[in-house]
Amino acid sequence: KAGVTQTPRYLIKTRGQQVTLSCSPISGHRSVSWYQQTPGQGLQFLFEYFSETQRNKGNFPGRFSGRQFSNSRSEMNVSTLELGDSALYLCASIPLAIGSGANVLTFGAGSRLTVL
Amino acid sequence: DQQVKQNSPSLSVQEGRISILNCDYTNSMFDYFLWYKKYPAEGPTFLISISSIKDKNEDGRFTVFLNKSAKHLSLHIVPSQPGDSAVYFCAAMGNGANSKLTFGKGITLSVRP
Repeated sequence: KAGVTQTPRYLIKTRGQQVTLSCSPISGHRSVSWYQQTPGQGLQFLFEYFSETQRNKGNFPGRFSGRQFSNSRSEMNVSTLELGDSALYLCASIPLAIGSGANVLTFGAGSRLTVL
Repeated sequence: DQQVKQNSPSLSVQEGRISILNCDYTNSMFDYFLWYKKYPAEGPTFLISISSIKDKNEDGRFTVFLNKSAKHLSLHIVPSQPGDSAVYFCAAMGNGANSKLTFGKGITLSVRP
């Protein structure tokens, strides 16, 4: 079966712009999590969505938001981009909510965002 | 506050020898631990996991050891192969309704032929 699909794979934006990233989870997976990866900080948790509801949120400013649709596809949005938002944004899916007997996330290849 | 710490940013090992990757955690509520491997331009892939009720889990060349009293876990790769060269992330999670996976910063492993 198809894995986790993230689009776009690469994009370049300028400061002040906004960006929307998309994630299609593995078919049948209902939970989607987003992570930001930067060289100095590793993988930092952004948020988790399960059945269209945000279940958990990391310590990121309100400029970072997300949503999940009824088909489990998810989008994340970053508004008023800053240079420090340049990172690899990873999406991961899991059949049930994390901790509900499901522990192993399957990751997509990521969306590489560069902010100039 | 870094709850999962991988204090060594890199490790270089000769092919055929053992690679030992260390991870420390501070949150005593963590009860499940995972290791992920990541190649450039790819997402992390799951490698091996261990529950807090165990102290060892083995899968082929990979073994994870957990020392709960020291809040320390390690990943052993024996024998190491050049294809093992990647970034390795340690991750931990607790139980309950708001569980999430907390990752360390990663260790870059280089296996020299």
